[in-house]
Amino acid sequence: DADVTQTPRNRITKTGKRIMLECSQTKGHDRMYWYRQDPGLGLRLIYYSFDVKDINKGEISDGYSVSRQAQAKFSLSLESAIPNQTALYFCATSDPASLTQSANTGELFFGEGSRLTVL
Amino acid sequence: QKEVEQNSGPLSVPEGAIASLNCTYSDRGSQSFFWYRQYSGKSPELIMSIYSNGDKEDGRFTAQLNKASQYVSLLIRDSQPSDSATYLCAVAANAGGTSYGKLTFGQGTILTVHP
Repeated sequence: DADVTQTPRNRITKTGKRIMLECSQTKGHDRMYWYRQDPGLGLRLIYYSFDVKDINKGEISDGYSVSRQAQAKFSLSLESAIPNQTALYFCATSDPASLTQSANTGELFFGEGSRLTVL
Repeated sequence: QKEVEQNSGPLSVPEGAIASLNCTYSDRGSQSFFWYRQYSGKSPELIMSIYSNGDKEDGRFTAQLNKASQYVSLLIRDSQPSDSATYLCAVAANAGGTSYGKLTFGQGTILTVHP
């Protein structure tokens, strides 16, 4: 079983619908992230959370919200989906204890991705 | 200007050649630099990290960092068809403050190694 699990893996929805993407992890990491990937744009950070009580906006948070229900669960919501939110979404985790340098993140562990299509 | 910029692809090299992937970044205070590999339809996986100026070698992979030029590169020696993937450069923001712990990714370079 994957250490970082995303559901659903694929979803097609219509403009205006509310969508939730869920992420759960068994790695025991405190830090969790949501990225979206679009062709030619790489990975862009939507939201991140360093613990259950810590939620931070990334570079493209407009139109999205998140909930950190537990250390192991981090969900991403699109309250009213629009076509330009069609993308591949990745959840990721990291462990600050794995840092080899003083104050920066180390390896990110990604889920398998959730492909969302908004018609 | 994008914060992290990679050389435009796609890049195609013959099997056995050296593939050179380049990345520049805009935040002079960046501390940590990473190369991720992403096979088609899969999630990214870390292949190299580098923190100090100079070269870091791991098998067929060499990461090079020049902080003065704000430049990081990845060399793949003896390229194999199995190296065909998208390579993502990622930069960790400055230590401290709200930027702590975030990675900013480049747009990726598609590498194809042909037999």
